[in-house]
Amino acid sequence: AQSVTQPDIHITVSEGASLELRCNYSYGATPYLFWYVQSPGQGLQLLLKYFSGDTLVQGIKGFEAEFKRSQSSFNLRKPSVHWSDAAEYFCAVTRNTGTASKLTFGTGTRLQVTL
Amino acid sequence: GAVVSQHPSWVICKSGTSVKIECRSLDFQATTMFWYRQFPKQSLMLMATSNEGSKATYEQGVEKDKFLINHASLTLSTLTVTSAHPEDSSFYICSASGAVNTEAFFGQGTRLTVV
Repeated sequence: AQSVTQPDIHITVSEGASLELRCNYSYGATPYLFWYVQSPGQGLQLLLKYFSGDTLVQGIKGFEAEFKRSQSSFNLRKPSVHWSDAAEYFCAVTRNTGTASKLTFGTGTRLQVTL
Repeated sequence: GAVVSQHPSWVICKSGTSVKIECRSLDFQATTMFWYRQFPKQSLMLMATSNEGSKATYEQGVEKDKFLINHASLTLSTLTVTSAHPEDSSFYICSASGAVNTEAFFGQGTRLTVV
């Protein structure tokens, strides 16, 4: 079965500092990978996704992620964090079924930004 | 991206009553919809997958008679929590996927509180 691990439950960074959120997956085939952000009491917003092609993926709000097959990782990065980035971040994986996206989520990483 | 609307955003109900949550795809036809449950400070757990016009497929451990899912049209799926109890209090999120893409779009979630 597929699984996603986000080793860091909680991360605190200063505004303006760089950020990297870790994500490791376990999957038998080439996965489709996603990063979502969730503000308190809200649904999920897609930051970026990897389906195929260039392993460095650019997303919204200045985020990027790199797919490393050899390390089974899909870490999320941002060069300079803003206070508004404080939220919960979820990594997710799915397989391409052609029409449906049954996602398996990691446990999430809560990002706190200090001013 | 496509828009998925969930209603209500929050609901409080008495123990023993039933509550219906709607999930609508506003600008695309959703052949598949997913229902997730999220406990405080935890990840999203898939409850069931519903395909338009057919019975929902429930994940292991989810009571299908308690969480009734109906996907009667290509734009609407409903989740009914029957005979709700305080332990059913949670954040419920739906997502919808169309026939021509593998990306699922999320609703904003419904906070259910059973008193």
